[in-house]
Amino acid sequence: QVQLQESGPGLVTPSETLSLTCTVSGGSITNYYWSWVRQPPGKGLEWIGYIFYTGNTSYNPSLKSRVTMSVDTSKNQFSLKLSSVTAADTAVYYCARGRSGWYRDLDYWGQGTLVTVSS
Amino acid sequence: NFMLTQPHSVSESPGKTVTISCTGSSGSVASHYVQWYQQRPGSAPTTVIYEDNQRPSGVPDRFSGSIDRSSNSASLTISGLKTEDEADYYCQSYGDSILIFGGGTKLTVL
Repeated sequence: QVQLQESGPGLVTPSETLSLTCTVSGGSITNYYWSWVRQPPGKGLEWIGYIFYTGNTSYNPSLKSRVTMSVDTSKNQFSLKLSSVTAADTAVYYCARGRSGWYRDLDYWGQGTLVTVSS
Repeated sequence: NFMLTQPHSVSESPGKTVTISCTGSSGSVASHYVQWYQQRPGSAPTTVIYEDNQRPSGVPDRFSGSIDRSSNSASLTISGLKTEDEADYYCQSYGDSILIFGGGTKLTVL
């Protein structure tokens, strides 16, 4: 059974960079697309972007200027960096896997991690 | 920008059938597969329908998905409603290497 686990600071200072890592267990990171999705408190889901195991990426146009994703196949991990954060970036951040080697829908999700942007 | 619009909330009684719509803002919803996710409070989303009308293993056949080209919309239908179906439901599609989520629909089973 594939499992995903997000990790990183739960509190980030405004204007700083949010950094999260997703560790994949029970399966290989290779041959799949890996997405980040966030959900502000009480609001809906927002796709942030994906990274293929080769390092190819695609980002949400509304966040593209602030997002960087990377992958470490040796550790079975992928990561998210979101720069210049504001209170509007406070959300539960989920990592998820693209089903069957495609990016177009998500079959396994992490439990999510709450990141609060506050001074 | 392509958007998916869902009703904010729906409610129905146990044992009844409910349908949640997901309407595309432009283009054709039928051009790309639509997925549906269920999210219970405090939990991550889980897939109940993928590729318009496919159910993952373990999802009961009370859940079904469809596409209506005439209204450019997708629908999630849940029959024989149970109190455990009360949750938020999100439709999702994709295109040009991006994923799009609908705003979500809160289903109340009362």
